[in-house]
Amino acid sequence: KAGVTQTPRYLIKTRGQQVTLSCSPISGHRSVSWYQQTPGQGLQFLFEYFSETQRNKGNFPGRFSGRQFSNSRSEMNVSTLELGDSALYLCASSLVQGQRNEQFFGPGTRLTVL
Amino acid sequence: QKEVEQDPGPLSVPEGAIVSLNCTYSNSAFQYFMWYRQYSRKGPELLMYTYSSGNKEDGRFTAQVDKSSKYISLFIRDSQPSDSATYLCAMSVSSGSARQLTFGSGTQLTVLP
Repeated sequence: KAGVTQTPRYLIKTRGQQVTLSCSPISGHRSVSWYQQTPGQGLQFLFEYFSETQRNKGNFPGRFSGRQFSNSRSEMNVSTLELGDSALYLCASSLVQGQRNEQFFGPGTRLTVL
Repeated sequence: QKEVEQDPGPLSVPEGAIVSLNCTYSNSAFQYFMWYRQYSRKGPELLMYTYSSGNKEDGRFTAQVDKSSKYISLFIRDSQPSDSATYLCAMSVSSGSARQLTFGSGTQLTVLP
C-alpha cells in the first residue's frame, strides 16, 4: 500500500503571500490531520478533517485553514505568510476503525518564508 | 508546564546497548500512547501504538505504559547505528472523538558503531 504523499516537498515564499499544500492519505483512510513542526515548538496540531468536516482545530490563527475532498485528499492553506510560518508541515492519515486510530505521517512539505 | 515532557538528550550509546527513552504527562485523560521515530528531514514513522497500561513488544522494541504514574517508556534492545534518529512520544485523548496528538519534544539518539 502506498503511504501518505505530500506535495510539494519544498516551497519558498515571501512574506504576505499565500500557500496551498496538498496531502493524499493512505488508501481507505478517512481522517487527515495536519501538524506544524519547528525547532522551537516541536510538533503542534493544526487541524483534523474526517469525511470532509473539520473535527478539531489547534491553537493557530485563522490564517491557517484547510479542507478535505470526497476522495479524502486534503489541502491546507496559509494566507498572509509571516516569517514565523517557516516550518515543516506534516500530514497524517488514520483509518478510524474501532481502536485503530494510529496516525501515519507523510514526508512533509518544508516551507521557507523570506 | 507542558502536557508532555520528554528529555531532549542528546543521548549517545554504543552499538548493542539497551536504550531507554521516557516521557511523562500531566493530562490523565490521555488514553492512547505512541512512539514515533524521525530521521533527519523525514516525516515521523510510527513504531509503537498502545491504549492500555502494561508492556507491548515488537521485535527489538518494547513500549511500557504506566497510567498511574503518568509515565511511558520505549526500550530498544541490541541497538544499531540505523536506530540513530529522534524519537518522539505522542498521546491522544480518545478514539471516538478527534484524533489530536500531543507530542513530546523528542529525544535525539545516536548509536555509535
